[in-house]
Amino acid sequence: DAKTTQPTSMDCAEGRAANLPCNHSTISGNEYVYWYRQIHSQGPQYIIHGLKNNETNEMASLIITEDRKSSTLILPHATLRDTAVYYCIVRIRHGGSNYKLTFGKGTLLTVNP
Amino acid sequence: EADIYQTPRYLVIGTGKKITLECSQTMGHDKMYWYQQDPGMELHLIHYSYGVNSTEKGDLSSESTVSRIRTEHFPLTLESARPSHTSQYLCASSDGLAGETQYFGPGTRLLVL
Repeated sequence: DAKTTQPTSMDCAEGRAANLPCNHSTISGNEYVYWYRQIHSQGPQYIIHGLKNNETNEMASLIITEDRKSSTLILPHATLRDTAVYYCIVRIRHGGSNYKLTFGKGTLLTVNP
Repeated sequence: EADIYQTPRYLVIGTGKKITLECSQTMGHDKMYWYQQDPGMELHLIHYSYGVNSTEKGDLSSESTVSRIRTEHFPLTLESARPSHTSQYLCASSDGLAGETQYFGPGTRLLVL
């Protein structure tokens, strides 16, 4: 199973871009990278996912290196409400067409005013 | 916005009581999951279901049980609550299509005295 490594915590100034790194050096060719976040005391929230190409949606951008061994989640203009724990997850096949997500410790992003 | 609901949001109960945590989703998702999360710790998968009448144990051993009689409903039951069951319980669902995005409910915070 591909494992991910993230920094324990990061700080970012409000209005600046937040760049959250993730290493997944053992990722297989058909495994997707997912990002979720969890704001204090709430259920995790899906942000974005990708396989090989960079992805962008209304919340964030996901940059995946060409060798797929690492990725970066970018919040272009961080706000105080983006303070949360961010999880980088490699989706694992769990029999047939079923998959599961294994949440690690994530990165606590603190956005400062 | 995900339509997945959990009740109660908070529950304080005495040792030995039987409790049922409710989880419902209105998205017609076949796949549903229960996670357990202690404060400041990782999420651990304790149960999952890939459809009606299908339930499986997750990665973390749990004394709780689940049932899936209807697509939209995935309740979790503790026959005899103990202080060691004190935790947050999070329910999620996914449509199982490409992407396998899981949508989480707000969680139930359980305190067993």
